Amino acid sequence: EAGVTQSPTHLIKTRGQQATLRCSPISGHTSVYWYQQALGLGLQFLLWYDEGEERNRGNFPPRFSGRQFPNYSSELNVNALELEDSALYLCASSEFFGTSSYNEQFFGPGTRLTVL
Amino acid sequence: QKEVEQDPGPLSVPEGAIVSLNCTYSNSAFQYFMWYRQYSRKGPELLMYTYSSGNKEDGRFTAQVDKSSKYISLFIRDSQPSDSATYLCAGSSASKIIFGSGTRLSIRP
Repeated sequence: EAGVTQSPTHLIKTRGQQATLRCSPISGHTSVYWYQQALGLGLQFLLWYDEGEERNRGNFPPRFSGRQFPNYSSELNVNALELEDSALYLCASSEFFGTSSYNEQFFGPGTRLTVL
Repeated sequence: QKEVEQDPGPLSVPEGAIVSLNCTYSNSAFQYFMWYRQYSRKGPELLMYTYSSGNKEDGRFTAQVDKSSKYISLFIRDSQPSDSATYLCAGSSASKIIFGSGTRLSIRP
């Protein structure tokens, strides 16, 4: 069974540009999560989508946005890039059994974004 | 204060040693507690999860949660060089996972 896939592997942008990152979840998973992993800061929760709707959002500015498509794949957009946006962006997917249940998240390999 | 605190290390131990990795957390709403392992240039992979307080064992790995002291531990017995990785603890509530910053572990042959 194919795991979570992300593209591109690496992305280099300059300050002020926009970046678009893509994620395909495991077949049968309806939830997609986005995380930012900056050096020394661990994984920071960005966004959670389920069934095409944004369900939760982390403490990030509005220039971080995304969407989930009918096939459950997802896109993360970062507008007006800043140097501190340089990080590994990880996507995870899960089935969704409810907010009180354990919904195991499976991670993709990430997209390394470098902002120059 | 971060919701999950974890010593970043690095931690270096000889092969065969028992490794103890620890985290503290502040969010009383956490119901599930997880340990992830992340190899260089890879995404995190789930090692174990526990629900509420207690112990859980899986082969050489044992996870412990003490909700009264808000303490999460992972023990690795008979450590192997292949265990060298970054270990991330995490707490979960309402499908939102909060991660610690990760501990870099190196097992010396």
